[in-house]
Amino acid sequence: DGGITQSPKYLFRKEGQNVTLSCEQNLNHDAMYWYRQDPGQGLRLIYYSQIVNDFQKGDIAEGYSVSREKKESFPLTVTSAQKNPTAFYLCASSIPALNYNEQFFGPGTRLTVL
Amino acid sequence: DAKTTQPTSMDCAEGRAANLPCNHSTISGNEYVYWYRQIHSQGPQYIIHGLKNNETNEMASLIITEDRKSSTLILPHATLRDTAVYYCIVRETSGSRLTFGEGTQLTVNP
Repeated sequence: DGGITQSPKYLFRKEGQNVTLSCEQNLNHDAMYWYRQDPGQGLRLIYYSQIVNDFQKGDIAEGYSVSREKKESFPLTVTSAQKNPTAFYLCASSIPALNYNEQFFGPGTRLTVL
Repeated sequence: DAKTTQPTSMDCAEGRAANLPCNHSTISGNEYVYWYRQIHSQGPQYIIHGLKNNETNEMASLIITEDRKSSTLILPHATLRDTAVYYCIVRETSGSRLTFGEGTQLTVNP
């Protein structure tokens, strides 16, 4: 089955530790995205990548880093510089087209920093 | 991208049509209207999108006013599984970003 996988579903880390969230897709999509969602809020864009080896900051990139070495993978590292990292993290992918951009989302990773 | 305004919450009886409004009065000519929904603790799911004309698919219908300043998502026969947060988003044709607001919490009641 084609789709986006995020692992793990729940993640716990101690304050001050970096943590990397996995996102893999087998949809052959060029573009991938990372969003953060806090309780009762909408999604906010952290980083996005439209092609391998290239990525751009979203609205809340501070304290996060990404890499895009392979088309299928777009890992997100939450660094110790992120002041409030506890949140629900969602990865998405899409085929950037001229008029149409349907984003497909993974199931999300809920990160809790203790 | 244009800003959208949606009601915070709505209720609907099971089996009835759910009509979710969205205002986007500053929309420009090259911006599409997208609708996504998010069931609790899951990733958002694409529903439908449109530019000028009304659109229908297996999930819903999208009605866009002639001046394009507002739209309505219609779920023709709402079920309990349609309970979710519904997001209305406008986006340029050339952009890849989606800006999610806080959406409308739709609760379908038995």
